[in-house]
Amino acid sequence: EDQVTQSPEALRLQEGESSSLNCSYTVSGLRGLFWYRQDPGKGPEFLFTLYSAGEEKEKERLKATLTKKESFLHITAPKPEDSATYLCAVLLSGSARQLTFGSGTQLTVLP
Amino acid sequence: GAGVSQSPSNKVTEKGKDVELRCDPISGHTALYWYRQSLGQGLEFLIYFQGNSAPDKSGLPSDRFSAERTGGSVSTLTIQRTQQEDSAVYLCASSQTGLYSNQPQHFGDGTRLSIL
Repeated sequence: EDQVTQSPEALRLQEGESSSLNCSYTVSGLRGLFWYRQDPGKGPEFLFTLYSAGEEKEKERLKATLTKKESFLHITAPKPEDSATYLCAVLLSGSARQLTFGSGTQLTVLP
Repeated sequence: GAGVSQSPSNKVTEKGKDVELRCDPISGHTALYWYRQSLGQGLEFLIYFQGNSAPDKSGLPSDRFSAERTGGSVSTLTIQRTQQEDSAVYLCASSQTGLYSNQPQHFGDGTRLSIL
């Protein structure tokens, strides 16, 4: 069965304290891995797409990396405004187009 | 430009009533998706529309759920005879894509449905 697991479930950081969020997957035929940010009461906001192992993408304080089994979202020197739930999702090969989501990591950055 | 728009943003209704949720995708996006997000749960796929093709309904949890997309644009998700377990946030997404494209899906802010 295809699975996407995110860890930790929740993470509290002090402002400036760098860390990483993990998304591990056991799927057959990965076509893409997506990272989203979700603020309370809002829909997920697209951050990155990664397609193949070894690929990296960066945006401001965030960097996403991908291996054959997992993806990391590295947060460098986070600020309180980075507080949100971070979701990863995979797109599988075949005719299906729907994303399979993990349960998310709730990040809190304290000032 | 405008993002994905969903209405209403909140809906409270009594058990057994029918509800309709609306989604306006980003202009020019051919693919449209409905997901459900329950408290503490990940997003659960419901249904997918691509252009004029028959929709992928594989995620609909029961025959009380249905959706249509008119003119390749606006979509309506209908839940008949609502049950308390239908309470969730219903999210719509669209993407600029063909069937095998990897273009990201862009989400609306959802409709928060509460069944009393």
